[in-house]
Amino acid sequence: DVKVTQSSRYLVKRTGEKVFLECVQDMDHENMFWYRQDPGLGLRLIYFSYDVKMKEKGDIPEGYSVSREKKERFSLILESASTNQTSMYLCASSRSGTGDRSPLHFGNGTRLTVT
Amino acid sequence: AQKITQTQPGMFVQEKEAVTLDCTYDTSDPSYGLFWYKQPSSGEMIFLIYQGSYDQQNATEGRYSLNFQKARKSANLVISASQLGDSAMYFCAMREGRDNQGGKLIFGQGTELSVKP
Repeated sequence: DVKVTQSSRYLVKRTGEKVFLECVQDMDHENMFWYRQDPGLGLRLIYFSYDVKMKEKGDIPEGYSVSREKKERFSLILESASTNQTSMYLCASSRSGTGDRSPLHFGNGTRLTVT
Repeated sequence: AQKITQTQPGMFVQEKEAVTLDCTYDTSDPSYGLFWYKQPSSGEMIFLIYQGSYDQQNATEGRYSLNFQKARKSANLVISASQLGDSAMYFCAMREGRDNQGGKLIFGQGTELSVKP
């Protein structure tokens, strides 16, 4: 079974802090993603990566950056946390080269509260 | 413009009855894939079913089936014989052809399903 592990289940940070959310997958997947989930808005894509050291902006990249130094690890960085970044953050991975059928496999999420 | 629309924020269904969760989508890409995920209160996202735009038949996976109407751009999820454990948030998602090879999904707003005993 694919395992996507997010380092924290719950996180409380102060406004202005630099925040790191870590995600590791163990299935040698090429693709990794960061989404945020808010009530009534569904999941919105922040950043994604199709290869090591490669990153692309999603729909809502403002205020975030990412790092992918190793294939299995994809980090989301909040440079200066703000209260409007309080949300559930979901990391996902998928295999490349399987056409459009490959589902995304998700971690259990990190619920971040910025006070 | 919203590419995936789920118009039912919340729904109730009686245990053992069937329920349909609506999903409409918008794309100009002739090749695309549609996915449904279940998210219980624990927060994990569980992949349920997939439908490709060129698939000739509607997808089925156990009690889940997809009512795919290409001309209407709808991909409704049908859950037969509802169980209490089906109570969860359900998300419809799409991958456009240019994002294939396992690429990004676009998600709808979700529908919260409650199964009543």
